[in-house]
Amino acid sequence: NAGVTQTPKFQVLKTGQSMTLQCAQDMNHNSMYWYRQDPGMGLRLIYYSASEGTTDKGEVPNGYNVSRLNKREFSLRLESAAPSQTSVYFCASSGTGGPFYNEQFFGPGTRLTVL
Amino acid sequence: DAKTTQPTSMDCAEGRAANLPCNHSTISGNEYVYWYRQIHSQGPQYIIHGLKNNETNEMASLIITEDRKSSTLILPHATLRDTAVYYCIVRVYNAGNMLTFGGGTRLMVKP
Repeated sequence: NAGVTQTPKFQVLKTGQSMTLQCAQDMNHNSMYWYRQDPGMGLRLIYYSASEGTTDKGEVPNGYNVSRLNKREFSLRLESAAPSQTSVYFCASSGTGGPFYNEQFFGPGTRLTVL
Repeated sequence: DAKTTQPTSMDCAEGRAANLPCNHSTISGNEYVYWYRQIHSQGPQYIIHGLKNNETNEMASLIITEDRKSSTLILPHATLRDTAVYYCIVRVYNAGNMLTFGGGTRLMVKP
C-alpha cells in the first residue's frame, strides 16, 4: 500500500495563477484533510471531508476550494494564488472501525511557492 | 478541544530516555491525549494516544496523571532518528475530527 500520496511534490506559481493539489489514499478511509504548514509553525487545517460527498471548512479556508472526487481522492484548488499561500501543504486521511481508526495518516507534502 | 502547553525545545542524549511533558489542564472527560511527531520536511506521524490509563506501544509510552491535567510521552531509548518536533494534541475520540496542532516540542537527540 502506498498510503497517502500527493502530487506535485514541488510547485512554483506566479501571483494570480491557479492550480490544483491532488491527494489520494488507498486505505479505504472515510475522512480526508488538507493542512498547511508555514515555516516554524504547526499545521493548520484548511478543509476536511468527513465522508465521501461532504466537505467542511477548517481553520483557514479562505482562498481555497476542495473537491472530494470519490472515496480515494481529495483535491485542493487555489483559484488565484497569492504570496501568502506560500507554504507546505499536507493531505491526511483517517478511517473508521478498528483500534487505530482515529489516527490520521499524512502524505509527504507539497511545497508551494507563490512569487 | 482543550489547549495544550509544551516546552519549545528539549535535548536528550542518544540511548537515554526522552521524557516530553504536556500540560492540558482544561481537558474534559471525553477528550483523549494524542501524540504525533514530525521529522524534518516529512508529514506528521502518529505515535500514541490515551484517555486515562497509561499506554505503551512499540514506539513509546504515554503516562497520564490521575487528574488528567498533564501527560508525559516517553521514548525509552532515544536514537538520532527520533530528532523531531513532537505535538501533544487533546481532542474528542471521533472519526473525522480535526487535529489542532500547536507549536510542539523540538526534541534534539545528541550523540
